[in-house]
Amino acid sequence: DTEVTQTPKHLVMGMTNKKSLKCEQHMGHRAMYWYKQKAKKPPELMFVYSYEKLSINESVPSRFSPECPNSSLLNLHLHALQPEDSALYLCASSQSGTRANSPLHFGNGTRLTVT
Amino acid sequence: DAKTTQPNSMESNEEEPVHLPCNHSTISGTDYIHWYRQLPSQGPEYVIHGLTSNVNNRMASLAIAEDRKSSTLILHRATLRDAAVYYCILRVAGANNLFFGTGTRLTVIP
Repeated sequence: DTEVTQTPKHLVMGMTNKKSLKCEQHMGHRAMYWYKQKAKKPPELMFVYSYEKLSINESVPSRFSPECPNSSLLNLHLHALQPEDSALYLCASSQSGTRANSPLHFGNGTRLTVT
Repeated sequence: DAKTTQPNSMESNEEEPVHLPCNHSTISGTDYIHWYRQLPSQGPEYVIHGLTSNVNNRMASLAIAEDRKSSTLILHRATLRDAAVYYCILRVAGANNLFFGTGTRLTVIP
């Protein structure tokens, strides 16, 4: 079990659907991250929130829309996805976004399949 | 991005020590060296991090070269549960990100 909880664990959606991925942590961390991981590849950074403000968007297409309602919650809203967006979506948190000695804590991800 | 280089794969016999190398010749003075591992069907798991001195924790040891251009993650007795992809990452001071390289896939042989 991890201290970062992601729901749902699995999601299948059509290309016209709208869905959301959720992430929650109660460690008091002030930075939260979304990563995308394709099979047999390393995780790729998508977004970073620091103190509930979006600080990094790694040129992610607008069909992915992040939201940080409060310091414990992170959402990823999905709309009009393509089959190539099928992947494992990982959420992570860290005590500080900018302190280099602050490790990231990851959830176990949401396995997304776009049909 | 601060780059690291790791072997694609390594094998170890169960209950033997494992030394996983990482080169980071472009490291800056304030960059921390982080190690994560990813077991099958799980998210990455933090293992250890260090700046200059060698570090030990319950999971592993981190040996950092004097010039900081390389480091080695040491698993003292490999178990089957240690089979995973191990990522060596430089966490850049002041940068709000963490980028993964390709990692080393460790196979533990019973």
